[in-house]
Amino acid sequence: GESVGLHLPTLSVQEGDNSIINCAYSNSASDYFIWYKQESGKGPQFIIDIRSNMDKRQGQRVTVLLNKTVKHLSLQIAATQPGDSAVYFCAETSGTASKLTFGTGTRLQVTL
Amino acid sequence: ETGVTQSPTHLIKTRGQQVTLRCSSQSGHNTVSWYQQALGQGPQFIFQYYREEENGRGNFPPRFSGLQFPNYSSELNVNALELDDSALYLCASSSDYYYGGGELFFGEGSRLTVL
Repeated sequence: GESVGLHLPTLSVQEGDNSIINCAYSNSASDYFIWYKQESGKGPQFIIDIRSNMDKRQGQRVTVLLNKTVKHLSLQIAATQPGDSAVYFCAETSGTASKLTFGTGTRLQVTL
Repeated sequence: ETGVTQSPTHLIKTRGQQVTLRCSSQSGHNTVSWYQQALGQGPQFIFQYYREEENGRGNFPPRFSGLQFPNYSSELNVNALELDDSALYLCASSSDYYYGGGELFFGEGSRLTVL
């Protein structure tokens, strides 16, 4: 398949460990923050989102934390699996349109 | 319920040519947006169509244009292709023009190479 990101920051974790991917966003007026997973040759896949009036939201094996004071977003993946290997993007939107502003992405590599 | 489908998956054009990319939105979705993803970068918003009208545009020149049809499918047209237009073009659909949470779904993309 095609490589999504050739020069992205890379996070290497061992299978079974927890992963934390960080993102700084720019627009203090953003209403929603979303994490997407993109595997090689595929489109972005929704993981989890969080509204600006929350600071934490949990899904299945994933948690998103939002710190509006420092404009920081993080994605925590519990018990990382080989299938989690992909490029992860954060995105933000003001909610007035489906216009998303994406971050630069982080490549997650899961080692056995 | 079908997902977002795009065609063609890959295509090669030469500088100056024109290209049309197509997208069928997810069943029940009336809004389609298009994104350009250059290699190694995050997707960038091109524009959005809601009920057949453009209602949001990113920082792209007028040679990037689109259409949305009554069945909510969409086309992206790029005229006078330049080498920098080489990218993965992503279509996303949603049930309304604003993001209300968890409802924007992307297709697999059309990989355009301009020689």
